[in-house]
Amino acid sequence: QQQVKQSPQSLIVQKGGISIINCAYENTAFDYFPWYQQFPGKGPALLIAIRPDVSEKKEGRFTISFNKSAKQFSLHIMDSQPGDSATYFCAAKRAAGAGSYQLTFGKGTKLSVIP
Amino acid sequence: ETGVTQSPTHLIKTRGQQVTLRCSSQSGHNTVSWYQQALGQGPQFIFQYYREEENGRGNFPPRFSGLQFPNYSSELNVNALELDDSALYLCASGKGDTDTQYFGPGTRLTVL
Repeated sequence: QQQVKQSPQSLIVQKGGISIINCAYENTAFDYFPWYQQFPGKGPALLIAIRPDVSEKKEGRFTISFNKSAKQFSLHIMDSQPGDSATYFCAAKRAAGAGSYQLTFGKGTKLSVIP
Repeated sequence: ETGVTQSPTHLIKTRGQQVTLRCSSQSGHNTVSWYQQALGQGPQFIFQYYREEENGRGNFPPRFSGLQFPNYSSELNVNALELDDSALYLCASGKGDTDTQYFGPGTRLTVL
């Protein structure tokens, strides 16, 4: 059972454009939603994260929009640059006991930013 | 850089063998989690250790086992390797009172 659904699978955006990646979740017990960026041959790097009591969070060119009632959240990358070309994963953490950090990941979106 | 290191970088084993992967957590972190990432997929949670005890396990068989040491370094052991175990194995560390996890660069395991 895939608990976090991510779309699109791949995305091509022109330099300077806006990249938008969407995720939907099913489990209302999730309480933390991070986005990770992964380059080939590297581990995932945390980009930005949000909690369900906040509708939007912005850090630089990256913004998360969160819709708790629809159980959806999205990543917006403004002024996309070729250096942003990577695979992006949304994830969700289920509230649990102390020190519990089980993340459920989406399948990833491969972003290509063309000059 | 996250301060999380993993060794070895690459590893080739044959079916039926056993393998041990190692992870050194970021200083001050007391949790470590292991994930398996198959090619073209998102990471899948294997298990997590908190204060040297297993604190959660994903849908992986018992031949996947681990240890966390007092210095918060960790091992992932996989027995009776199968072809489908070929993947990138990631460890992630964090502090017990925060939600942020930092991933290492991973170990690429190939099972022939």
